[in-house]
Amino acid sequence: AQRVTQPEKLLSVFKGAPVELKCNYSYSGSPELFWYVQYSRQRLQLLLRHISRESIKGFTADLNKGETSFHLKKPFAQEEDSAMYYCAQGRDDKIIFGKGTRLHILP
Amino acid sequence: GAGVSQSPRYKVTKRGQDVALRCDPISGHVSLYWYRQALGQGPEFLTYFNYEAQQDKSGLPNDRFSAERPEGSISTLTIQRTEQRDSAMYRCASSLGAPPNHEQYFGPGTRLTVT
Repeated sequence: AQRVTQPEKLLSVFKGAPVELKCNYSYSGSPELFWYVQYSRQRLQLLLRHISRESIKGFTADLNKGETSFHLKKPFAQEEDSAMYYCAQGRDDKIIFGKGTRLHILP
Repeated sequence: GAGVSQSPRYKVTKRGQDVALRCDPISGHVSLYWYRQALGQGPEFLTYFNYEAQQDKSGLPNDRFSAERPEGSISTLTIQRTEQRDSAMYRCASSLGAPPNHEQYFGPGTRLTVT
């Protein structure tokens, strides 16, 4: 079965420090990978997807097929980055979500 | 324009009762998805519609769960004879086109509590 693994339930980072949220996927083919974010009292929303190769709100994610990883990175954390982050993998008609990592930015 | 809406936002029901959860997708969105999210978990796929056709219901946990989208717009997820383990956040999402390439827009969710 396909799995998306986010090993950290909670990650606390000081403002201005680099952020890396880890994600590993299980599908060995050419996966469609996403990061979704949920800010406090807001809806779950798409942050970025690997095919677009965009940088959204300073976040980037690089697909590493050798390590089957899609870690989310930002060089300098901001307080507004505090949120729940979900890594997700798409295949056929489904999107499989990881359990999520809560990112807490410390002042 | 309006985003995806879901109603009710909160539902408390007694074990054994049936519940119907409604999702109103973004106008013009062809695809509609239902997810269930338990506490501390990510959203778990339940079922997916393309227009009115239910394309995949492999995620529905058992035959107490059913979904329909009769006119290709509003969808209803029905849970019959609810059990305490059905308590969760139920999320609906819609997208312009076929998954998974199109961005999914999520509704606010319905929090179901079965007592």
